[in-house]
Amino acid sequence: GAGVSQSPRYKVAKRGQDVALRCDPISGHVSLFWYQQALGQGPEFLTYFQNEAQLDKSGLPSDRFFAERPEGSVSTLKIQRTQQEDSAVYLCASSSGPKAFFGQGTRLTVV
Amino acid sequence: QKEVEQNSGPLSVPEGAIASLNCTYSDRGSQSFFWYRQYSGKSPELIMSIYSNGDKEDGRFTAQLNKASQYVSLLIRDSQPSDSATYLCAVNGGTDSWGKLQFGAGTQVVVTP
Repeated sequence: GAGVSQSPRYKVAKRGQDVALRCDPISGHVSLFWYQQALGQGPEFLTYFQNEAQLDKSGLPSDRFFAERPEGSVSTLKIQRTQQEDSAVYLCASSSGPKAFFGQGTRLTVV
Repeated sequence: QKEVEQNSGPLSVPEGAIASLNCTYSDRGSQSFFWYRQYSGKSPELIMSIYSNGDKEDGRFTAQLNKASQYVSLLIRDSQPSDSATYLCAVNGGTDSWGKLQFGAGTQVVVTP
C-alpha cells in the first residue's frame, strides 16, 4: 500500500479485556516497529521486527504485551487483560532503511 | 535522565521569522538523527534526516548536527501558520539497534500571524 495502515483507529476496552491492534506496513518494507505514545510525550519504543523475526522486544512494558508478524508483512500487537495505564496511542512504523514512516495510530482507551 | 532532551515549549514564532529548535542526546554511539513533525491528533511525519556533522538543508528546513557536542537542531525559515505543530527529535542508536528510535518529548511550535 501507499502508507502504513493501522486498524482500528480507535478502541475502547473495558479493564481486563484483551485487545488486538493491526498494522499493515508499506509494501516491501522489511522492518516494522511498534511504539506507544502517551499524551504530551514522544513515542516510546516497544518492539521491532525484521521480516518475521522479532529482534528486539525490550520496550514491551509487561508480559501482557505480545507482538507477532508471522509472514513478515502484517503485524499484530496484542494486549491481554488491559489496564488503565495501557491507555495511549499505539503507533506502527515501517522502514526499508534508516528512515521510518508511521501509520495513523490506534488510540486505545481502557475504561 | 531522558536519553533525548528537547525544550517542551511552546515556542512562539511570528509568521515569517525563523524557528530554532534544539535537541541533545546522551548516547555517543548514535548514528542517525531525525526530525518528525506531529500535528495534534495525527501521527509523526518525517521531515528531516541527518547522518553526518554539519548542516543539511531541505526547502525551508535546515538540520544541524554536532556529534562532539551531542547536539542536533532544526531551523524553520519563513515560518508559516501551517508549521504550528509539535516537532519530535529522534535518534537511532546504530547498526546493532537499527530500528530503535529514541524520541524526545517534542517541542510545540506556535506560529502567530
